Amino acid sequence: GNSVTQMEGPVTLSEEAFLTINCTYTATGYPSLFWYVQYPGEGLQLLLKATKADDKGSNKGFEATYRKETTSFHLEKGSVQVSDSAVYFCADFTSGTYKYIFGTGTRLKVLA
Amino acid sequence: DVKVTQSSRYLVKRTGEKVFLECVQDMDHENMFWYRQDPGLGLRLIYFSYDVKMKEKGDIPEGYSVSREKKERFSLILESASTNQTSMYLCASSLRAGTGGAGYTFGSGTRLTVV
Repeated sequence: GNSVTQMEGPVTLSEEAFLTINCTYTATGYPSLFWYVQYPGEGLQLLLKATKADDKGSNKGFEATYRKETTSFHLEKGSVQVSDSAVYFCADFTSGTYKYIFGTGTRLKVLA
Repeated sequence: DVKVTQSSRYLVKRTGEKVFLECVQDMDHENMFWYRQDPGLGLRLIYFSYDVKMKEKGDIPEGYSVSREKKERFSLILESASTNQTSMYLCASSLRAGTGGAGYTFGSGTRLTVV
């Protein structure tokens, strides 16, 4: 079945550092891909998405490009802030199904 | 914005109790979901519902049941709570199948501790 694999955390960075969190998927067909963020004590929020190959999703300075040839959807940000400290989840959704497949999450800690 | 509201942020229950976790969404979404979140395991789907009175088992349904009598409300029931059900429970909703590009909307979660 489908699966989503994320790099293991925690990832610890200094403020203004460059961030990459890797995500790969194994879905058959043509899934839509998502990044969700969970701030401490809260539920998940949709951060960005891409619905077809070569699409780039972006929000709040974060970007991710849907790369079909490498089945990847890596999350990047050029300059992280302390307020970006959270857990980040990669997910896919295949049309015709009811549910998303989530990765296990990557915790990001940004130090001032 | 769609809102998904979970009735409790924190719950403490005793082993063997029957526990109800309630979730309400206000945007007429067809699909609703219950996940549990545990460190190192990510999100695991317990049950989902794609219509009133309809339900489907997810990946870890054992020890749980659900009820969806109205479109906006989806309840998770722990028939006899056990300590291994101590977890964060997340409710989510989405538009009907085939419109997955819209993503899920999540509630804030209920942290359940079974003692």
